[in-house]
Amino acid sequence: SQQGEEDPQALSIQEGENATMNCSYKTSINNLQWYRQNSGRGLVHLILIRSNEREKHSGRLRVTLDTSKKSSSLLITASRAADTASYFCATVYSGGYQKVTFGIGTKLQVIP
Amino acid sequence: EAGVTQFPSHSVIEKGQTVTLRCDPISGHDNLYWYRRVMGKEIKFLLHFVKESKQDESGMPNNRFLAERTGGTYSTLKVQPAELEDSGVYFCASSQVGRVYEQYFGPGTRLTVT
Repeated sequence: SQQGEEDPQALSIQEGENATMNCSYKTSINNLQWYRQNSGRGLVHLILIRSNEREKHSGRLRVTLDTSKKSSSLLITASRAADTASYFCATVYSGGYQKVTFGIGTKLQVIP
Repeated sequence: EAGVTQFPSHSVIEKGQTVTLRCDPISGHDNLYWYRRVMGKEIKFLLHFVKESKQDESGMPNNRFLAERTGGTYSTLKVQPAELEDSGVYFCASSQVGRVYEQYFGPGTRLTVT
């Protein structure tokens, strides 16, 4: 079955540094999304990239998608302490019934 | 516009007890989803309602879990009897018809079974 798998599972950086998280998946997709979950809070949608797009930007976020390698990366530039959270990639399978599938997540800690 | 709301935010119960989680989707969203994240693991799909009908309940772990969406508005997820492995965060999401990829998530209910 399809599953997004984030890498690394935990990342600790200093404030101001860039953070890069990767996600791999197994089947053809319609789109890939990144979500953030702050401790004790719900999931917040960050960005969606469609299967025919290669790169997308939103503020300090940059997402790339390589469908040939079935992988995506999320780059957070100039990180802040408030970016401390868990980040999940989620994919929507392109065949048959559409369902969002999440990965295990990357726990990012930004040290002030 | 109000977002997806969930109640309670946190529930602590003993093994064998019953707990009912509630989700109120965004008004007008026919699609309603339940997900669960067990500590340290991925967020797993549980089931999907379209209005009051269960479109897909393939993710429901076992028959101790019962989801309902009477009237096609809010939904409840009942766990009876609760087991230790049911502990985790239960998320609800909703979306408009035909926009499964644009789901809006609630804050989640943290369930702790002791």
